[in-house]
Amino acid sequence: DTAVSQTPKYLVTQMGNDKSIKCEQNLGHDTMYWYKQDSKKFLKIMFSYNNKELIINETVPNRFSPKSPDKAHLNLHINSLELGDSAVYFCASSHERGAATDTQYFGPGTRLTVL
Amino acid sequence: SQQGEEDPQALSIQEGENATMNCSYKTSINNLQWYRQNSGRGLVHLILIRSNEREKHSGRLRVTLDTSKKSSSLLITASRAADTASYFCATRQGDMRFGAGTRLTVKP
Repeated sequence: DTAVSQTPKYLVTQMGNDKSIKCEQNLGHDTMYWYKQDSKKFLKIMFSYNNKELIINETVPNRFSPKSPDKAHLNLHINSLELGDSAVYFCASSHERGAATDTQYFGPGTRLTVL
Repeated sequence: SQQGEEDPQALSIQEGENATMNCSYKTSINNLQWYRQNSGRGLVHLILIRSNEREKHSGRLRVTLDTSKKSSSLLITASRAADTASYFCATRQGDMRFGAGTRLTVKP
């Protein structure tokens, strides 16, 4: 069974559109994350979220918003897509944000291409 | 900002050889973790070393940590073609911070 799943795997869309990427984890973890990996393979955290707290990386444009219907899901909604949003987006989860021995479990990624 | 920085950016070796990758970071940490990413896949956790540990082993993996130099190394012994992947170090200081990775190619 897939621990962290994302849909869609590929997303091709036009500039200016609004799109969502879904993420689900079946690990019972408390915290979920969204990362952006650019063409140079840098992996940057965008959000971390549990049922108590949303931490937003200050560099993330407010066109990006996480939405969590329940503890097992953290979807990423993007408004007014721009060319620079093209990247691979990874969802991840962990037991507890900031725990000393915590590790993260990653989804397979969603490759977003904005034309 | 990025926390870990891996060195080299790319490494190509023959099967059976050892591969060593280095990671440097800038601030104090709680732990340092190494992840592997196969092409087109998500990252997979390999090993975690706490800030009070100096060396850790897991199968063919050996990780060292030198907090005085703010650096870590990952050694893969007796490499296999299946070890071909990108390897990332990540440091935890609150949130996780990843480097850009070392791309390892193991030729059969």
